[in-house]
Amino acid sequence: DQQVKQNSPSLSVQEGRISILNCDYTNSMFDYFLWYKKYPAEGPTFLISISSIKDKNEDGRFTVFLNKSAKHLSLHIVPSQPGDSAVYFCAAQTSSNTGKLIFGQGTTLQVKP
Amino acid sequence: DAGVIQSPRHEVTEMGQEVTLRCKPISGHNSLFWYRQTMMRGLELLIYFNNNVPIDDSGMPEDRFSAKMPNASFSTLKIQPSEPRDSAVYFCASRPGLHSHEQYFGPGTRLTVT
Repeated sequence: DQQVKQNSPSLSVQEGRISILNCDYTNSMFDYFLWYKKYPAEGPTFLISISSIKDKNEDGRFTVFLNKSAKHLSLHIVPSQPGDSAVYFCAAQTSSNTGKLIFGQGTTLQVKP
Repeated sequence: DAGVIQSPRHEVTEMGQEVTLRCKPISGHNSLFWYRQTMMRGLELLIYFNNNVPIDDSGMPEDRFSAKMPNASFSTLKIQPSEPRDSAVYFCASRPGLHSHEQYFGPGTRLTVT
């Protein structure tokens, strides 16, 4: 039972364009969502997060949108840079167990120069 | 500023041997997490501690796996005996406290059991 799903294993975009990474979840109790970025041979690094009381959070080139009714969130990267090429993981947690992050399978983003 | 430190970075062992993975969390962080990443199951939480006390070990696959946190600056994940299906990358992460959300991951230990 995969509670957090990233249905696109990979995405390729041109440098300077927008990258949109998608994530769907099934558990309506999730109330906090995070995006992590992972380079090969490194651990995931935190990128941006959003609480369920918001529908948008922005940090520089990165914006996360949350649509609770659709149980969907997305990460927008504008403009995309070659250094953004990595695996992106969506993760979710509930307030009743804030230690337990449930991760999606990840999406590999390639930004072409 | 040192991040989460894991050792060894790579471990190759034979089936049946004991394996011990080590983690030093970021100083001042009260919560520590052990994850396993495999192609089949992705990144999954095995166990986490708060103030050195295990809070949720529901992800530990079976009795062959055990984790300890004897003090605030050190944790171990032990597999005994190891099996080929334990081959994976094991990550340790830490967090300032239960009310924080972001977890900071170490570089991982790539375990291969032959």
